[in-house]
Amino acid sequence: DQQVKQNSPSLSVQEGRISILNCDYTNSMFDYFLWYKKYPAEGPTFLISISSIKDKNEDGRFTVFLNKSAKHLSLHIVPSQPGDSAVYFCAASIYSGGGADGLTFGKGTHLIIQP
Amino acid sequence: DAGVTQSPTHLIKTRGQQVTLRCSPKSGHDTVSWYQQALGQGPQFIFQYYEEEERQRGNFPDRFSGHQFPNYSSELNVNALLLGDSALYLCASSFTTANEQFFGPGTRLTVL
Repeated sequence: DQQVKQNSPSLSVQEGRISILNCDYTNSMFDYFLWYKKYPAEGPTFLISISSIKDKNEDGRFTVFLNKSAKHLSLHIVPSQPGDSAVYFCAASIYSGGGADGLTFGKGTHLIIQP
Repeated sequence: DAGVTQSPTHLIKTRGQQVTLRCSPKSGHDTVSWYQQALGQGPQFIFQYYEEEERQRGNFPDRFSGHQFPNYSSELNVNALLLGDSALYLCASSFTTANEQFFGPGTRLTVL
């Protein structure tokens, strides 16, 4: 049973517009959420994260929104640039026993930025 | 400052063989986690090492084992390889008190 779901396998957005990537989770124990970006033949690169005690976190062009009641988070990229074309993974973790547990990932969304 | 490094980059093995993958964490990080990424899927958590002990384990069989050394580097061992073990194996390092994990480039394992 997938605890982290990214229901859009791909998303195409025009350069300069806003990209919105969505993620849903089922485990209410998750207390930290992260977004990673992955290019082919490379490992995932950490982008931005949010704690469950917040509903928004912003870093430059990237903003993550968390709606705990809906168990939903989204990543906004404004403005979208050609270099943003990559696979984006949503991940979640639980902080327990004095450390952060292993991450649970969604299947990813392939973002394509059109010129 | 070197990031997470993994070796080898690629590996081809046959069914039934054993394999060892290696990982050096980012400088200062004390925790290493291993993930398996099959084609078209997100990374799946295998296990995590801290203070040379397995701290947490995902849903993987005992054929998957690991080790962490005093310098925080780590190895992933897989015994009795199956065709389904073909995947990208990712190592991630972190501070044990932090949620953010930083990934290496991965080792592509092909089992024939």
